[in-house]
Amino acid sequence: DTEVTQTPKHLVMGMTNKKSLKCEQHMGHRAMYWYKQKAKKPPELMFVYSYEKLSINESVPSRFSPECPNSSLLNLHLHALQPEDSALYLCASSPGTVKEPQHFGDGTRLSIL
Amino acid sequence: GQQLNQSPQSMFIQEGEDVSMNCTSSSIFNTWLWYKQDPGEGPVLLIALYKAGELTSNGRLTAQFGITRKDSFLNISASIPSDVGIYFCAGRLSSGSARQLTFGSGTQLTVLP
Repeated sequence: DTEVTQTPKHLVMGMTNKKSLKCEQHMGHRAMYWYKQKAKKPPELMFVYSYEKLSINESVPSRFSPECPNSSLLNLHLHALQPEDSALYLCASSPGTVKEPQHFGDGTRLSIL
Repeated sequence: GQQLNQSPQSMFIQEGEDVSMNCTSSSIFNTWLWYKQDPGEGPVLLIALYKAGELTSNGRLTAQFGITRKDSFLNISASIPSDVGIYFCAGRLSSGSARQLTFGSGTQLTVLP
């Protein structure tokens, strides 16, 4: 079982809907990440939060809006998504030291109708 | 663009056989990580490597950090059916952000009974 918990596991939404993906970890990690993964492809980095501050935004469209309410939680707010945004969205976390590896959750499978 | 070349792209092997896969780059890395991803789940960390020349084992898995810091390999000995999945290498570029991983394209492993 992963120590990074993501909810929901599956999400189907229309292009006009607003929804949020949630990620939680209680390992005391101080960096959290959002990735997008298409089938049989490697994860693509979207956002990085370090000590609750956004440190990397990989030119992600504004219809994806991240939020880090505290050191244990990471949200991804979705609005007006496109069909090509259908993918597996993975959350990861890592300790405060940059050397330590990232640990992934099981993801949210998102389908846009 | 893609800075990591992972090969082979896919492998079909008989149960009990040994497996080898590798990642190479023209850039220098200061960390190499190997992950395995099962369908419907997130990547799971198998082995982390931090020093050039480092050889690390985890059960039947062995990975090495290349001496030039531009490559890494993963070996699986005596494969079993549960080894099936996609294996990703990932690394931190010495010239890049410490929080950013570069992923290989993945190796799809199928183990035949």
